[in-house]
Amino acid sequence: ETGVTQSPTHLIKTRGQQVTLRCSSQSGHNTVSWYQQALGQGPQFIFQYYREEENGRGNFPPRFSGLQFPNYSSELNVNALELDDSALYLCASSKAGEPGETQYFGPGTRLLVL
Amino acid sequence: AQSVTQLGSHVSVSEGALVLLRCNYSSSVPPYLFWYVQYPNQGLQLLLKYTSAATLVKGINGFEAEFKKSETSFHLTKPSAHMSDAAEYFCAVSEKRQLTFGSGTQLTVLP
Repeated sequence: ETGVTQSPTHLIKTRGQQVTLRCSSQSGHNTVSWYQQALGQGPQFIFQYYREEENGRGNFPPRFSGLQFPNYSSELNVNALELDDSALYLCASSKAGEPGETQYFGPGTRLLVL
Repeated sequence: AQSVTQLGSHVSVSEGALVLLRCNYSSSVPPYLFWYVQYPNQGLQLLLKYTSAATLVKGINGFEAEFKKSETSFHLTKPSAHMSDAAEYFCAVSEKRQLTFGSGTQLTVLP
């Protein structure tokens, strides 16, 4: 069974640029959630995708957007990068309808905005 | 909105000693609760989860947690700490299919 994978592992961008992060869900999972984890903090929910549509969103501005593809993989896009966007971005996959819908996390993409 | 409070941002124990990491939650409905562990420069690994089947939940690596509704707590314990347990631990509650995390507890294991 393949776990959740994310790419790239590290990324350096400058303020104002755009970035795309990618996530492949665990086999058998159909839901993908994205989280932002700033240094020394717990992860914060960005949004979730199910059936290729956004299915819940946290307190993040519209410049954070995403996609889910028919194979359940997902992308997180961030436009007009700001210094405060520097963080570890975590993707998690789960199976809709399972009790508790346990989320399994990938290793993350560490983004540094200069 | 649901919330999670983890008391103690840093906990130090000696190798072989009891590990107790505290988590309190607020929820208006019976919650789903989780503990995750994060090793340096890695993602989150699921330790255990509570889904109302049993109040004492056993997880991986010898960890367990007890759900106490009256105290709105879900504390994580391990009878005997090992050096490899040194990591950051996060408690989380699930609402509307999204996780709300506590701020984390950094566990240090002293030789």
